[in-house]
Amino acid sequence: GNSVTQMEGPVTLSEEAFLTINCTYTATGYPSLFWYVQYPGEGLQLLLKATKADDKGSNKGFEATYRKETTSFHLEKGSVQVSDSAVYFCALKRYSTLTFGKGTMLLVSP
Amino acid sequence: DAGVTQSPTHLIKTRGQQVTLRCSPKSGHDTVSWYQQALGQGPQFIFQYYEEEERQRGNFPDRFSGHQFPNYSSELNVNALLLGDSALYLCASSGTGTENTGELFFGEGSRLTVL
Repeated sequence: GNSVTQMEGPVTLSEEAFLTINCTYTATGYPSLFWYVQYPGEGLQLLLKATKADDKGSNKGFEATYRKETTSFHLEKGSVQVSDSAVYFCALKRYSTLTFGKGTMLLVSP
Repeated sequence: DAGVTQSPTHLIKTRGQQVTLRCSPKSGHDTVSWYQQALGQGPQFIFQYYEEEERQRGNFPDRFSGHQFPNYSSELNVNALLLGDSALYLCASSGTGTENTGELFFGEGSRLTVL
């Protein structure tokens, strides 16, 4: 079946540090890949997506590249801000349904 | 343009009771999916409705049922509540045809606590 594995948190960084959150997946066929972000007390917001191999999704300084050979979709940001503190979910989509990882909490201190 | 709206935002029930959660999709969307997010976990797919019928279903028991109305809004019903049903229930909508961007839009969820 389909599954997503992402690094456990929390990830604790100082402002302006470099961020990487690892995500790998197992899927049949060719899924689309997503990163969603959840701020405290809120629902999920789409951060970025990639629909085929070697695509790079980007938004608000975050980037992730769809790597079919390593079945990975790692999230990166060059310089994090306090406002980036949230829980980040990696997900894959097959047949219009999403399979999520367990989420990684990011805490950014000033 | 209103996004996905859910009600109620919070509710408390006791074991054995039944609950109904409601969702209005984003304008122009005709497909509604429901997800259960337990504390500290990622959302898990419950089922999806399109054209008033259940189109796909995840690994959830028959106690979980749903409905979609002609205006595309949807309800999630859970019978015989268990303590383990305590979770954030998320509704997501998506479109078909020209409204199909491949993206699911989520509401803020209904937090259910079962005592």
